[in-house]
Amino acid sequence: QLQLQESGPGLVKPSETLSLTCTVSGGSLSRSGHYWAWNRQPPGKTLEWVASVSYSGTIYYNPSLKGRVTISAETSKNQFSLRLTSVTAADTAVYYCAKDRGNHITDSWGQGTLVTVSS
Amino acid sequence: DIQMTQSPSSLSASVGDRVTISCRASQSIGSHLNWYQQKPGKAPKLLIYDAYTLERGVPSRFSGSGSGTDFTLTISSLQPEDFAIYFCQRGDTPGTFGQGTRVEIK
Repeated sequence: QLQLQESGPGLVKPSETLSLTCTVSGGSLSRSGHYWAWNRQPPGKTLEWVASVSYSGTIYYNPSLKGRVTISAETSKNQFSLRLTSVTAADTAVYYCAKDRGNHITDSWGQGTLVTVSS
Repeated sequence: DIQMTQSPSSLSASVGDRVTISCRASQSIGSHLNWYQQKPGKAPKLLIYDAYTLERGVPSRFSGSGSGTDFTLTISSLQPEDFAIYFCQRGDTPGTFGQGTRVEIK
């Protein structure tokens, strides 16, 4: 059974860089048709798709994040990562790593990790 | 950008009730519409994709319909475990979610 686990700091200072890693077990990042994604959810609000990397390495970003976001995959470790630069309080959210099968059909999720942006 | 608007934002219902939740896109999105259920402190769970296709393992009391700009999630007979927040999501980039509908116990 596919499992995803987020890891990274729970507290980031304003203007600094948020970095998270998702470790995938029970499946391969290289499996055809799979997309590996980051979604986030500010407390009490709706969800927002952040970025995805496909099984073949193609990368997709949410335009709303205006070039602050980078997603990468390390297939040898079965991990993918998120970097978000110049964070503000508006980036405080639960960050979920997830797997989708195209068209944002997200069928597997990590448990989520709360990242708070505060000095 | 295409906006996704759900209605109502919350509703109260009893076990056994039929519940419908609406999701409207500001422009046509064809059938690219997904529905999720989220319980407190948990990750979302995929219920329906491509507007009406039931995800494997999801009870058949859940159904989806619609295309273009208007979509509906229906729970035919509400069960105690169905009290949760439901989100629709545009199924193409940037995968915009609706604001959610909270289903509460009457």
